[in-house]
Order: sequence, then structure tokens, then C-alpha cells
Amino acid sequence: KQEVTQIPAALSVPEGENLVLNCSFTDSAIYNLQWFRQDPGKGLTSLLLIQSSQREQTSGRLNASLDKSSGRSTLYIAASQPGDSATYLCAVPNAGGTSYGKLTFGQGTILTVHP
Amino acid sequence: NAGVTQTPKFQVLKTGQSMTLQCAQDMNHNSMYWYRQDPGMGLRLIYYSASEGTTDKGEVPNGYNVSRLNKREFSLRLESAAPSQTSVYFCASSEYTGSSYEQYFGPGTRLTVT
Repeated sequence: KQEVTQIPAALSVPEGENLVLNCSFTDSAIYNLQWFRQDPGKGLTSLLLIQSSQREQTSGRLNASLDKSSGRSTLYIAASQPGDSATYLCAVPNAGGTSYGKLTFGQGTILTVHP
Repeated sequence: NAGVTQTPKFQVLKTGQSMTLQCAQDMNHNSMYWYRQDPGMGLRLIYYSASEGTTDKGEVPNGYNVSRLNKREFSLRLESAAPSQTSVYFCASSEYTGSSYEQYFGPGTRLTVT
């Protein structure tokens, strides 16, 4: 059974810092890995999707890497801002004919960026 | 495009009452999903539908039923609500692109069962 772990559970940093969020998964047979952002009381917003054949993806100040063989992904946020404060979730769909894209989620990292 | 829409946004039920959560997507996706999110438990899959006309159980299906009404709509029914079903419910959809599934989520339904 796939298990996804995110470290740290919570992170508080001053504005302007570069930071790294970690995600690990136990079964490397995945189609892709998806990073989401969730603001308090809101839904999930997709940030980045990395296909299993890719090593990294970038969107603005966000960079996500994937090392499928070791079961790890990192989300790098450059020059953090208070508006980045949210919960960040990673999730993977297992590969295979019966997967149909069902996601297994990590517990999330709660990020607080203070001015 | 509205993406994935869910109704209602909020609901309070008494124990034993029934209700249906509605979900619709306008992206022509084949696959749709229902998840619940609970503090300390993260998001867990309740049911999914790989394609129109098919449904299957996820990790936590007990106490729920689903209907894939057509390609656009996937509803979740609580026949006899229990306090343990107090949660935030998210509907999602995705399509296999040949190499990946990118999942899109609705805004959620916040359900309280008293």
C-alpha cells in the first residue's frame, strides 16, 4: 500500500527566506507526483505536476524535483512571502491498470511566512 | 470553464438524516473521485468512478453510496448520517494523458452532523 510522508509538519520562516518542503513515498511505481496548496477553509489548488519521467518542474518562484527511484520529491520556494502561507500537500497516483488516477496524499506541511 | 463544482458549500445534518452531495465537471474527464478531509487524517478516498457507468470503493466507503449519473456528474449520498461523517468533502476529476493523471478539485462541502 502506498504511503506518503511530508516533512516537516509545520514550518515558520521570516519573509524572504528560501525554503524546501519534503515529500517521500514508499512505492516508486507512480504516474506522476502533484503538489497542491490549500488555504484555510478552502479547496486544493494544483501548483505543479511532475511526470514520472521528469526530474523537475518550475512555475515562478516554485521548483519541484522528483527522484522516483528513491521515492522523494522536494518543493523549493524562493524568496518566500507572507502570501505563501498555506498548507502544502503532495500526492501520487500509483501506476497500473487499476489505478485510474486515485491519489494517495501526504499529511501536508503547514507553512507560515511572517513579515 | 467552471472546472469542478460542488453543492452545497455547507450543510448541517442531524444524526440519521440523509443527504446527497452533488458534483459536476465541465472538462470532459472520464475519472471522478470523492475524498474526505479530516484533521490529523489528511485526505482519504471514499469512492471513485473510472468512467461513466462504473464506480468502485476507495479507502473509506462505509456509510456512503455514489452515483455516476453521466460523464459530467458524480454524486455522493449519505443514507443515515453519523457524527463520524462530519468532515470536509472534496470532489475531483482527472483524465489520463498517456503519461499522467492531473487531478482537479472542487471547492469542497463542509458537513457537520450533530
